[in-house]
Amino acid sequence: ETGVTQSPTHLIKTRGQQVTLRCSSQSGHNTVSWYQQALGQGPQFIFQYYREEENGRGNFPPRFSGLQFPNYSSELNVNALELDDSALYLCASSLGGEKLFFGSGTQLSVL
Amino acid sequence: RKEVEQDPGPFNVPEGATVAFNCTYSNSASQSFFWYRQDCRKEPKLLMSVYSSGNEDGRFTAQLNRASQYISLLIRDSKLSDSATYLCAVNIPPMNNDMRFGAGTRLTVKP
Repeated sequence: ETGVTQSPTHLIKTRGQQVTLRCSSQSGHNTVSWYQQALGQGPQFIFQYYREEENGRGNFPPRFSGLQFPNYSSELNVNALELDDSALYLCASSLGGEKLFFGSGTQLSVL
Repeated sequence: RKEVEQDPGPFNVPEGATVAFNCTYSNSASQSFFWYRQDCRKEPKLLMSVYSSGNEDGRFTAQLNRASQYISLLIRDSKLSDSATYLCAVNIPPMNNDMRFGAGTRLTVKP
């Protein structure tokens, strides 16, 4: 296994609510990237954190925000949930590099 | 043009067959290339890196064609256990660790 853990594994929310997803990176990894994967699609880059700073962002609105903590764990926050936010949210850790090691993801359903 | 494109398949092949997937990328300055494997309802797992000189790992061979801006994955002597979705990942300059994924190619190996 990768050593990357995500919680919760499943979540059901209603439109307009807010959600926080959590990720613990692999020991020694200082970079965390978040991806959104809709059914039948590839993972879409949301953003990346390196040493507690946002280090790149994909084409997602500001209601998607994140944090990285001193121990390199991370949170993804999504405000004002929309139906289209229903997806698998994947966290990947790396040692500041390109090789990504993914957690098993959080399946978010927005009703 | 999408940043990273893959033939979605599906590819249905018999055991023992050789199968090849291609993945095209739009940014000629991209430097980092990877293949990931994703099983149904699971997270992507790093399969192999792709180097200019090619990369071979057992039955799997990955190659890069910079002139035509594509990478390829060749699987020889297909096994039932190779059935999965194969995702290519390419970095988006200027950051080496901003990785973008294709939508994936689905492979089914049949007895």
